[in-house]
Amino acid sequence: GDSVTQMEGPVTLSEEAFLTINCTYTATGYPSLFWYVQYPGEGLQLLLKATKADDKGSNKGFEATYRKETTSFHLEKGSVQVSDSAVYFCALSDRTSGGYNKLIFGAGTRLAVHP
Amino acid sequence: EAEVAQSPRYKITEKSQAVAFWCDPISGHATLYWYRQILGQGPELLVQFQDESVVDDSQLPKDRFSAERLKGVDSTLKIQPAELGDSAMYLCASSLGQGGLPYEQYFGPGTRLTVT
Repeated sequence: GDSVTQMEGPVTLSEEAFLTINCTYTATGYPSLFWYVQYPGEGLQLLLKATKADDKGSNKGFEATYRKETTSFHLEKGSVQVSDSAVYFCALSDRTSGGYNKLIFGAGTRLAVHP
Repeated sequence: EAEVAQSPRYKITEKSQAVAFWCDPISGHATLYWYRQILGQGPELLVQFQDESVVDDSQLPKDRFSAERLKGVDSTLKIQPAELGDSAMYLCASSLGQGGLPYEQYFGPGTRLTVT
C-alpha cells in the first residue's frame, strides 16, 4: 500500500539556520502531498500542499516541491525561528476502495530550535 | 475562525472500562475523520464519515470500537472495553470534501487517553 517515510528526529538547530526535513513516498497513483505541523498540546495544522508534479507549496517561509522522479517532498526553510519548534508530518492523499480520499502520514519529525 | 471541537481533552480510565470521545466539526463540513496517534507516530485513520454514513472503517477494531454520526453533524467514538494498548491521542478532523476531492482537513486539539 501507499506509504510515507520521513527522516528521524529530533532535528536540533540554532535560530536562523537552514532547515531541511526529508520526505519520500510510495504510491501507486498520483497523490496530493502535504506538510502538517503540530505544536505542543495542539492538533495538526496544514502548513502547505502540492497537488501535482513540480508544484511548489509554500507558507510562512516554508516550501516544498513535489518531485515525481524522486518521489520526494522535502520541507525547507531558509532561516528558522524558535517559534518553529514543533513536530512536522509529511502526508499523502490516498483513495479508499469506496473512492474517498484519506491521508496517510509519516511518523513525524521533531524540530527544536535554540536561540 | 471556525474550529473543530473535541472533548474531553484528557481522559484517564482503567482497563476494561468504557470511554467515549466527542467531536463537533466545522459547520458545513460533510466529511468527518477519527484518527489515532500513538506517541512518536503519525496519525492513523480509524473511521471516515460522509454526512452520517461510514465510508471507511477498515482500520477500526470493531470488536471494541464504535463510532456514530447520527445527524451528520457531531460524532462520538466509543471504546468498550478499553485496553492498555489503546493509550494514545485521538484526533478528529473535518473537511468540506465530497467524494474523491482532496479538500484540506482541519484538525481538533485531540483527546489524550491513558488506560491504566
